[in-house]
Amino acid sequence: QVQLVQSGAEVKKPGASVKVSCKASGYTFIDYYIHWVRQAPGQGLEWMGWINPKSGGTNYAQKFQGSVTMTRDTSITTAYMEVSRLKSDDTALYYCARDFLGSFYFWGQGTLVTVSS
Amino acid sequence: EIVLTQSPGTVSLSPGERATLSCRASQSVSRNSLAWYQQKPGHSPSLLIYGASSRATDIPDRFSGSGSGTDFTLTISRLEPEDFAVYYCQQYGSSPRTFGQGTKVEIK
Repeated sequence: QVQLVQSGAEVKKPGASVKVSCKASGYTFIDYYIHWVRQAPGQGLEWMGWINPKSGGTNYAQKFQGSVTMTRDTSITTAYMEVSRLKSDDTALYYCARDFLGSFYFWGQGTLVTVSS
Repeated sequence: EIVLTQSPGTVSLSPGERATLSCRASQSVSRNSLAWYQQKPGHSPSLLIYGASSRATDIPDRFSGSGSGTDFTLTISRLEPEDFAVYYCQQYGSSPRTFGQGTKVEIK
């Protein structure tokens, strides 16, 4: 069965970086884009971008260009999302999700990133 | 960027009642590339509907999606206790992918 398992919660200081991982299993990793979505506490869902695991190509929402980097390691079927220059309003749950005809069928369990001095 | 506006923000209904949720786009959604997700507290979102009207695998037929262009609807024909949750629409026809702000379906 398809599973996306994310890394554990993080606490970071403002200005630091955080890298979240998303380990995929149960399907051919390079066949489906991985998307990243975040959800601030008590708020809605915000799409951040996607990575094509086959080519490594990426597409970021304009808001996150320059501060977010998505990568992957096909040898261990894992996608990564790094946010740099963290601010307090980057405090959120970060989800990875697997593409399904453009929508997001399979989701990771979420990784809470807390930015606090 | 396509802005999705969901209404109402919150709806209070009883089990067995019908729920009608609206999602309006600021411009036409390409190829009806519109999805609906359900999210319960403490859980990841789950896909209900894609392509505006296709149910995802194992989604009960009390959930149905309709609409095209700029106006879309999610209907829950008879609310079950497990259906009380927040629902989001999302368009994936153009970049950036965008979500609506959500509709909370709460127990009356």
